[in-house]
Amino acid sequence: GENVEQHPSTLSVQEGDSAVIKCTYSDSASNYFPWYKQELGKGPQLIIDIRSNVGEKKDQRIAVTLNKTAKHFSLHITETQPEDSAVYFCAASMGDSNYQLIWGAGTKLIIKP
Amino acid sequence: DGGITQSPKYLFRKEGQNVTLSCEQNLNHDAMYWYRQDPGQGLRLIYYSQIVNDFQKGDIAEGYSVSREKKESFPLTVTSAQKNPTAFYLCASSLQGTQPQHFGDGTRLSIL
Repeated sequence: GENVEQHPSTLSVQEGDSAVIKCTYSDSASNYFPWYKQELGKGPQLIIDIRSNVGEKKDQRIAVTLNKTAKHFSLHITETQPEDSAVYFCAASMGDSNYQLIWGAGTKLIIKP
Repeated sequence: DGGITQSPKYLFRKEGQNVTLSCEQNLNHDAMYWYRQDPGQGLRLIYYSQIVNDFQKGDIAEGYSVSREKKESFPLTVTSAQKNPTAFYLCASSLQGTQPQHFGDGTRLSIL
């Protein structure tokens, strides 16, 4: 079946440095790509999303890039802060369903002080 | 404040019992979803509902049942047929499909 691969599974960066998380999807019909942040014991929270007609989107310290030809998309966090520590998930819409998302396995981001 | 409320936060089930997890939203969203989250894995879709009185199976529907009698409510029943029910269950809603999904804070189900 269709899947989304997410790397790395754990990422440790120094406070103030940048963090990049990458995802690769298999369904060429996917057209919606959200990123979620999940803190311990809580539900995921949408932090940014991108649609297939756009190559890049920014929101303050967070940006997402999409390469449809290569079927991969990435999350970039600049000037990382301790509160950025969390698990981050990428997802891609299932091409034949407007309602189903295929999820990556998650990246645990650790910000070292 | 608008949002999604899941209850209870922790739930314990005895062998052979059915249990029902509650999910209520006041965002006026048409679509609602139930996911299961296991350690080290992404979210897996159990059921989703596009509108009231309609729902579809996701990837792992076996051993679960849902109902959607009201727009704001989408309860999930974990039946005794679900042999490995211990997990973190997340409910979400969206205005429509391929719109951002908003999540509740989950229910952690354990077996006694």
